[in-house]
Amino acid sequence: EAQVTQNPRYLITVTGKKLTVTCSQNMNHEYMSWYRQDPGLGLRQIYYSMNVEVTDKGDVPEGYKVSRKEKRNFPLILESPSPNQTSLYFCASSPIREVPNEQFFGPGTRLTVL
Amino acid sequence: SQQGEEDPQALSIQEGENATMNCSYKTSINNLQWYRQNSGRGLVHLILIRSNEREKHSGRLRVTLDTSKKSSSLLITASRAADTASYFCATGEFSGGYNKLIFGAGTRLAVHP
Repeated sequence: EAQVTQNPRYLITVTGKKLTVTCSQNMNHEYMSWYRQDPGLGLRQIYYSMNVEVTDKGDVPEGYKVSRKEKRNFPLILESPSPNQTSLYFCASSPIREVPNEQFFGPGTRLTVL
Repeated sequence: SQQGEEDPQALSIQEGENATMNCSYKTSINNLQWYRQNSGRGLVHLILIRSNEREKHSGRLRVTLDTSKKSSSLLITASRAADTASYFCATGEFSGGYNKLIFGAGTRLAVHP
């Protein structure tokens, strides 16, 4: 089944404790992206990647890192999480036939930083 | 940056009625997409309309695009309780040096049996 998977789905952590949210897609998509969703703000893009080893900042990159060592994986790293990073996070992928193209979303990771 | 703005923010209707949601945006776009999100879950792509298209259909969905007014509408006909969800428009544009999708804050649709 074609899908985007994220782990963990739920995470409660404390300020300053490094964490990684994994994202993997099995559709051989070039493009991958991370979003955060906060009430009343819609989805805001954190980072995106056009292909392996090609990443760039989205609209709200502060406090986050990403890497794209393999086509299928695009982990989101919070080196020192803070309470304002409490949010619902989504990974998405799409083929680059038309940009911006239809994006396939993962199920989301609900992160709480205490 | 938030490009698409949906209207209304919330909509409550009875099963069988039609639901219309509107989206307005500010700058030039390549395409406009509509997504659906069931509570707390991932977004699901519904339909994409290109900037040179005026109308598109998919099952019970009808999307229109008016680039002169910078607006789009999503019509769901003969709504069902299972259509209850949040609906987001996303505008595809070239901004800040790359092609991106910018999502609005969404319309919450409640369909009552």
